[in-house]
Amino acid sequence: AQKITQTQPGMFVQEKEAVTLDCTYDTSDQSYGLFWYKQPSSGEMIFLIYQGSYDEQNATEGRYSLNFQKARKSANLVISASQLGDSAMYFCAMRDSTNAGKSTFGDGTTLTVKP
Amino acid sequence: GAGVSQTPSNKVTEKGKYVELRCDPISGHTALYWYRQSLGQGPEFLIYFQGTGAADDSGLPNDRFFAVRPEGSVSTLKIQRTERGDSAVYLCASSFKPTAGANVLTFGAGSRLTVL
Repeated sequence: AQKITQTQPGMFVQEKEAVTLDCTYDTSDQSYGLFWYKQPSSGEMIFLIYQGSYDEQNATEGRYSLNFQKARKSANLVISASQLGDSAMYFCAMRDSTNAGKSTFGDGTTLTVKP
Repeated sequence: GAGVSQTPSNKVTEKGKYVELRCDPISGHTALYWYRQSLGQGPEFLIYFQGTGAADDSGLPNDRFFAVRPEGSVSTLKIQRTERGDSAVYLCASSFKPTAGANVLTFGAGSRLTVL
């Protein structure tokens, strides 16, 4: 069974600083995808970044990068140059090839950016 | 439409009543998903449709929950004999046909259900 663990219920970061949000996962499958979503207070989940299990390079999307360490089964999200609008809940999720239609989510990390 | 639309945005009902939640996916997305998000937790998978058929309904908690997508577009999540424990935000998402690759889910804003 798939499992996602996010050990940081809440994180604070100063505006313009970088922050790392932790995510570890568990799966017995060799082919899987890892995702990060942002959920602002409005409630709508927004896709941020994707990493495939066979991708050799760490994924990057603008200020977001994913620090993928396959042997450790970790997929940490790095946000550079934090902005006040980054304050939100962040969810790590995965999907594997045995059940491509089902995503498993962690319980999230609340990020607060301080001015 | 431009995004995933969910109605109602808020629903308050009494224990034992029947509830329907509607989801209108992005045009052209063949896959549709329902998730349930309880306070302080991540979304929990309920069911996903590929076209009109339920490809995986393993997340439905019991037989009080049922979902349909008769024409392969709009979906309705139906909850019978609601219980207080059903109170949560019900999220709908849609995508192109899911694969193990970068198949991104586009979510709606959710329907907040409160059972008194």
